Amino acid sequence: TQLLEQSPQFLSIQEGENLTVYCNSSSVFSSLQWYRQEPGEGPVLLVTVVTGGEVKKLKRLTFQFGDARKDSSLHITAAQTGDTGLYLCAGAKATSGTYKYIFGTGTRLKVLA
Amino acid sequence: SQTIHQWPATLVQPVGSPLSLECTVEGTSNPNLYWYRQAAGRGLQLLFYSVGIGQISSEVPQNLSASRPQDRQFILSSKKLLLSDSGFYLCAWSKIRTSGYTGELFFGEGSRLTVL
Repeated sequence: TQLLEQSPQFLSIQEGENLTVYCNSSSVFSSLQWYRQEPGEGPVLLVTVVTGGEVKKLKRLTFQFGDARKDSSLHITAAQTGDTGLYLCAGAKATSGTYKYIFGTGTRLKVLA
Repeated sequence: SQTIHQWPATLVQPVGSPLSLECTVEGTSNPNLYWYRQAAGRGLQLLFYSVGIGQISSEVPQNLSASRPQDRQFILSSKKLLLSDSGFYLCAWSKIRTSGYTGELFFGEGSRLTVL
């Protein structure tokens, strides 16, 4: 069962434009993470948000965790061609002895020069 | 530093044949281990996770099984592959869950399985 829905599924924009990717769920998570994945490789962590309402910035990327810890957004300012990739959100659910990480449906971003 | 490796990187198998994908972690002990499957350009589906040797939790009823014979070794298997088993399989590890730890997954390079 897919618990996390991302939108949009695909996004193609010109270099220099801004964009926002959304990650929504009906479940509450202990934390929420954003990963970026290149073709043929494993995802790499960008950021973890833990507290409801938390905002984190990573250069041109701004991440926000919803107040109820059910949703998140990723905003990219002045996109560059190097931002191209598959962006994945993942919610951590505490279970016996570990976390289960439930991934979103993914947003494929293409930034055109 | 910690590293994670999985193999083989690419596999083409006929329907009905067996499968074995292996994943090992180095540079850490007592990791939590995970197997995910990814359809082309889509999100990751959690298949199995393990908190210790011989301890396997299954998330999705399917044609696959997992085993953890050693602390840092995780194996994904099937006795008879189906066409629907095709996909990109990813092994990942995380530190054990402790107070204040917010979690992070470290992924292997992935194994692309094509069932014909």
